Amino acid sequence: DGGITQSPKYLFRKEGQNVTLSCEQNLNHDAMYWYRQDPGQGLRLIYYSQIVNDFQKGDIAEGYSVSREKKESFPLTVTSAQKNPTAFYLCASSIESSAYEQYFGPGTRLTVT
Amino acid sequence: KNQVEQSPQSLIILEGKNCTLQCNYTVSPFSNLRWYKQDTGRGPVSLTIMTFSENTKSNGRYTATLDADTKQSSLHITASQLSDSASYICVVDDSWGKLQFGAGTQVVVTP
Repeated sequence: DGGITQSPKYLFRKEGQNVTLSCEQNLNHDAMYWYRQDPGQGLRLIYYSQIVNDFQKGDIAEGYSVSREKKESFPLTVTSAQKNPTAFYLCASSIESSAYEQYFGPGTRLTVT
Repeated sequence: KNQVEQSPQSLIILEGKNCTLQCNYTVSPFSNLRWYKQDTGRGPVSLTIMTFSENTKSNGRYTATLDADTKQSSLHITASQLSDSASYICVVDDSWGKLQFGAGTQVVVTP
């Protein structure tokens, strides 16, 4: 898992509630990413950030929001607008762009009932 | 349609045996192809990264091959161990900074 931490490991929420997933890295990486992993599917990019105070939507950004106020932190908020939020969420970082090796955190499993 | 297809979806092998996982991709152009190992409930860990000009790369008992002409890659696991039980994910970088992930091959090594 390198120098990337995600918390909590497991998260349970009621439908209609917003929830924020934490991601912190001490690798001094500029770029950070959020992915969603569902059974039988490849990882899908939600949001990414290549520099502080800037971030871009990925392939499935609807219902999610992020912020990048500090280089080491990239929290993800799953809003009530996300139709199917139950999934395994992975945060990653790389030196610069995604052309460089990405290091993944241990993941957060979110269950919404 | 996913641009990175992996096969088989899952396989079971006896400890000590070898196995080969396949990855076919349609991503073009591409700058590099990566193999990751993901233990259940954990984040993926990089095994190998190959540029389009490399044919093979090893990491211990893991050997990845790449044929850029046929757009195929394979990951060979030699003398499997119980700790090799995991999902193995093929990832292709499309040169514009976009990573395309395969769905993974679930490997179970039995004693």
